[in-house]
Amino acid sequence: GAGVSQSPRYKVAKRGQDVALRCDPISGHVSLFWYQQALGQGPEFLTYFQNEAQLDKSGLPSDRFFAERPEGSVSTLKIQRTQQEDSAVYLCASSLVYGRVYTGELFFGEGSRLTVL
Amino acid sequence: LAKTTQPISMDSYEGQEVNITCSHNNIATNDYITWYQQFPSQGPRFIIQGYKTKVTNEVASLFIPADRKSSTLSLPRVSLSDTAVYYCLVGDDKIIFGKGTRLHILP
Repeated sequence: GAGVSQSPRYKVAKRGQDVALRCDPISGHVSLFWYQQALGQGPEFLTYFQNEAQLDKSGLPSDRFFAERPEGSVSTLKIQRTQQEDSAVYLCASSLVYGRVYTGELFFGEGSRLTVL
Repeated sequence: LAKTTQPISMDSYEGQEVNITCSHNNIATNDYITWYQQFPSQGPRFIIQGYKTKVTNEVASLFIPADRKSSTLSLPRVSLSDTAVYYCLVGDDKIIFGKGTRLHILP
């Protein structure tokens, strides 16, 4: 498809399990963002890539969260030893603009809803 | 730290024009102002972006006064399908979302 694709759409994990969430951005988009959205809240920034370089990971809540984009296209957000507070929707967005991202439009996927029991 | 302030919620009726104002007192010279719309179970969707004065597209208008310390998103003749959360963002590499404005359109 032409849009940002995220998988899985829904994931249920037992506390302590590791999960991996995948994002396929729009082809050719240089910038890629990950956000975490709790119920009733706005998206919270997690991390940002420009091509394969992770330029900002200041929003990752703990060292259990790890993101990569090894070839500058597909990205994976990994959460180790999941906790109940990790339950949220994880949104991926991509943008064509290189550099000053705020002058461009972000295209979001539908998100991956993670529930940790 | 949130860079914008907008109403938590608003109600309006079908066919009305809706104006949502966002305050951004500390906007930087190079910052653009962008608005996104989010429906339940979907990612946010870009509505409009501007730097100063007025911008209009097929969906909305964005009014930005000369001091750029606020902006107003105007939705003409809303319908029930415009019920959503609307986010005002001021340019930043992280593109920080706040809590948004929950707009509820009534029949």
